[in-house]
Amino acid sequence: GESVGLHLPTLSVQEGDNSIINCAYSNSASDYFIWYKQESGKGPQFIIDIRSNMDKRQGQRVTVLLNKTVKHLSLQIAATQPGDSAVYFCAENTGGFKTIFGAGTRLFVKA
Amino acid sequence: DTAVSQTPKYLVTQMGNDKSIKCEQNLGHDTMYWYKQDSKKFLKIMFSYNNKELIINETVPNRFSPKSPDKAHLNLHINSLELGDSAVYFCASSPGLAGVLSDEQFFGPGTRLTVL
Repeated sequence: GESVGLHLPTLSVQEGDNSIINCAYSNSASDYFIWYKQESGKGPQFIIDIRSNMDKRQGQRVTVLLNKTVKHLSLQIAATQPGDSAVYFCAENTGGFKTIFGAGTRLFVKA
Repeated sequence: DTAVSQTPKYLVTQMGNDKSIKCEQNLGHDTMYWYKQDSKKFLKIMFSYNNKELIINETVPNRFSPKSPDKAHLNLHINSLELGDSAVYFCASSPGLAGVLSDEQFFGPGTRLTVL
């Protein structure tokens, strides 16, 4: 079956450091990838997306890297802040309306 | 000016009861979704509607029945609630433009359902 991501791991970083959150996907037919951030008690919120014809996409303090050869996706957060503490989900889509979410990574930012 | 809203936010009920969760979006989106998030934070799609038509129906017990009276609303009715139904249920919407390779989803705040 399809699967994205890992069972919920935790990443702890010092405030001001860069964070890298990794995600593996298994469906080689997926061609659209999204990162979502979920803060405690809230719904997931879109951060950044990337299509399969790209290797890298940058946003404000965030960069997504896509390696289709090894089916790997990463989210880099520059100068991590306490407000970045949340669960981060990668998600994939093969076209149409079905998005498959990974298991999520919990990011703790230490002040 | 809430984009995607759900009611209620918390729902505590006994096994065997029937309950509904309502969702409304004021973004003018064509597509709406229901997701279930378990205690391990795993988020799984249940249903998706596009312009009031069911387009995704994952392997969900038929005790769960979505209803979309118009494209701004997608309600979820659950019959004969079981302990395993306890979870957080999220509604989401997206523009869902035909021919567009997916698009950003906007999530509601979630409904925490506890079945006793």
